[in-house]
Amino acid sequence: GAVVSQHPSRVICKSGTSVKIECRSLDFQATTMFWYRQFPKQSLMLMATSNEGSKATYEQGVEKDKFLINHASLTLSTLTVTSAHPEDSSFYICSATTSVLPSYEQYFGPGTRLTVT
Amino acid sequence: GDSVTQMEGPVTLSEEAFLTINCTYTATGYPSLFWYVQYPGEGLQLLLKATKADDKGSNKGFEATYRKETTSFHLEKGSVQVSDSAVYFCALSDRGGSNYKLTFGKGTLLTVNP
Repeated sequence: GAVVSQHPSRVICKSGTSVKIECRSLDFQATTMFWYRQFPKQSLMLMATSNEGSKATYEQGVEKDKFLINHASLTLSTLTVTSAHPEDSSFYICSATTSVLPSYEQYFGPGTRLTVT
Repeated sequence: GDSVTQMEGPVTLSEEAFLTINCTYTATGYPSLFWYVQYPGEGLQLLLKATKADDKGSNKGFEATYRKETTSFHLEKGSVQVSDSAVYFCALSDRGGSNYKLTFGKGTLLTVNP
């Protein structure tokens, strides 16, 4: 099946620093990747949609200058949390889809737990 | 806009009990419907899906039927196991929209006791 990985799985950083999270599709080329944020005991909140080679589309209320998304290749998208603050602490999950697979199906990564101290 | 409403948890059952988690939806188009499962500390895994009315998705003993007339996609399992303890999310993808975004319900925490 389609496998999506994320790195790192956990990261702790100091307030004011930047953190980069990678999302990779391991056995397929992902034309579209999605980034979600999940607060404890809550549902997933879509942050942005990224298509390979173009700028990401951010959901309303998501600061694009704070959450930088780069989808540089068909197998890699990155989310950079810039000038992180404790309120950015959360579980970040990516997903990927492609026109080769059923286009309404997304495959999810295992998530990255970010803690900002 | 699109929305998904699922029964609030937590749901606590004994092993071998029958499980139902209700899910209803509203959509502007003709959506595909999904159930995802999230085990503690992990990402989401697709449990089952249905793409058109009256389709039944099934996997690992779980079933859900796409009911267009009642706009529902309830999840059922005849005999739950301790290993089924997880959070279950109902979701839809409106294929008429761009980028096939998923809309999730709030999730239902299931705990199965031995």
